[in-house]
Amino acid sequence: DAGVIQSPRHEVTEMGQEVTLRCKPISGHNSLFWYRQTMMRGLELLIYFNNNVPIDDSGMPEDRFSAKMPNASFSTLKIQPSEPRDSAVYFCASSWSARGSWETQYFGPGTRLLVL
Amino acid sequence: GNSVTQMEGPVTLSEEAFLTINCTYTATGYPSLFWYVQYPGEGLQLLLKATKADDKGSNKGFEATYRKETTSFHLEKGSVQVSDSAVYFCALSGPHTGGFKTIFGAGTRLFVKA
Repeated sequence: DAGVIQSPRHEVTEMGQEVTLRCKPISGHNSLFWYRQTMMRGLELLIYFNNNVPIDDSGMPEDRFSAKMPNASFSTLKIQPSEPRDSAVYFCASSWSARGSWETQYFGPGTRLLVL
Repeated sequence: GNSVTQMEGPVTLSEEAFLTINCTYTATGYPSLFWYVQYPGEGLQLLLKATKADDKGSNKGFEATYRKETTSFHLEKGSVQVSDSAVYFCALSGPHTGGFKTIFGAGTRLFVKA
């Protein structure tokens, strides 16, 4: 069974460019999470979806960041315009979540983003 | 609010030493507790979990017991190996963490020397 798939695995771009990160969750999972990890700030939850609906985007740093989940098998995180301080590892995770059940999150391998 | 506090790292041990990584939590209600591990260059993966008080989670020689009276979930291993070098995250999730969120600790980096 395939795990969470993220693409690209590495991205190097210049300041001001648009960056799009992609995620395919595990089939059958109904919750999807986007995280950012840096040495300075650790692991931060950016946004999460349940049944393709954004539930909490309070972690999105600013309007330059946007996320979509058009269907149960695909999500994107977009940064426009990108800035050097956005350099980080971005993780996507998925889980099966329901009232009364708080299940394990399965993480993808991450996208390592470097903004020059 | 809900939060997780774990001991700061890095923790450096020799092979076959005993490991303890402390984790305490603050939560409303009765959350599930988790330990995740992140190996270099990879995403986090579940190491073990416990869903109610006094439960013991175990995997790959690691153990942690859900202690409600002390609000703790300390990670232990009797004899560490070089391959255990990684970052370990304590986490909680439950009905009062804002829907379906998991609250992660800051992570503790473990180095094991041969």
